[in-house]
Amino acid sequence: GAGVSQSPSNKVTEKGKDVELRCDPISGHTALYWYRQSLGQGLEFLIYFQGNSAPDKSGLPSDRFSAERTGGSVSTLTIQRTQQEDSAVYLCASSPPNAPHEQFFGPGTRLTVL
Amino acid sequence: GDSVTQMEGPVTLSEEAFLTINCTYTATGYPSLFWYVQYPGEGLQLLLKATKADDKGSNKGFEATYRKETTSFHLEKGSVQVSDSAVYFCALIGSSNTGKLIFGQGTTLQVKP
Repeated sequence: GAGVSQSPSNKVTEKGKDVELRCDPISGHTALYWYRQSLGQGLEFLIYFQGNSAPDKSGLPSDRFSAERTGGSVSTLTIQRTQQEDSAVYLCASSPPNAPHEQFFGPGTRLTVL
Repeated sequence: GDSVTQMEGPVTLSEEAFLTINCTYTATGYPSLFWYVQYPGEGLQLLLKATKADDKGSNKGFEATYRKETTSFHLEKGSVQVSDSAVYFCALIGSSNTGKLIFGQGTTLQVKP
């Protein structure tokens, strides 16, 4: 594909349910990032995968949040027992090898927790 | 930790007016600096960047100069158009170069005909 794709584009869930958000990076990009955009907190870094290295999870807000990246490509961000404050747009980005400055963003998944 | 502060909006200008959006940063060493833009209904796009002191990034008539002495990276455009209406984010990647972008709060620009 031409760019980073994310699914679903919109997700509405009830408080306490688990959700999974998917990101397909640009083919050949070795680094993948998750960010969150919310009204109260702006744009925040969540987690970063680089090749086979251990991910940088320093931005995950709580242990209800986790992410994995299978086969160095597709990534899934999972939020367990969702809370209303998790409502936000979740953005995924990828970058080519050795070029962390060249991050290409997907369109995002808008999560609404009722 | 590293942080970015940018002027609060919204900024409302008439077409062809001069634009400045202020951005300052706090970081150790020499971060890389960026401006991202988010047009209505669209995803985040890189507008321009500068990776070392005194570098000037430019794109689509926008410019920003990396000023180490004032820790600033102000965005400027000489003549704005209605199509420039968007949210602009200043950001940095720290000198550890992990790729983790740290964003400012964003500034909404509205250009009126």
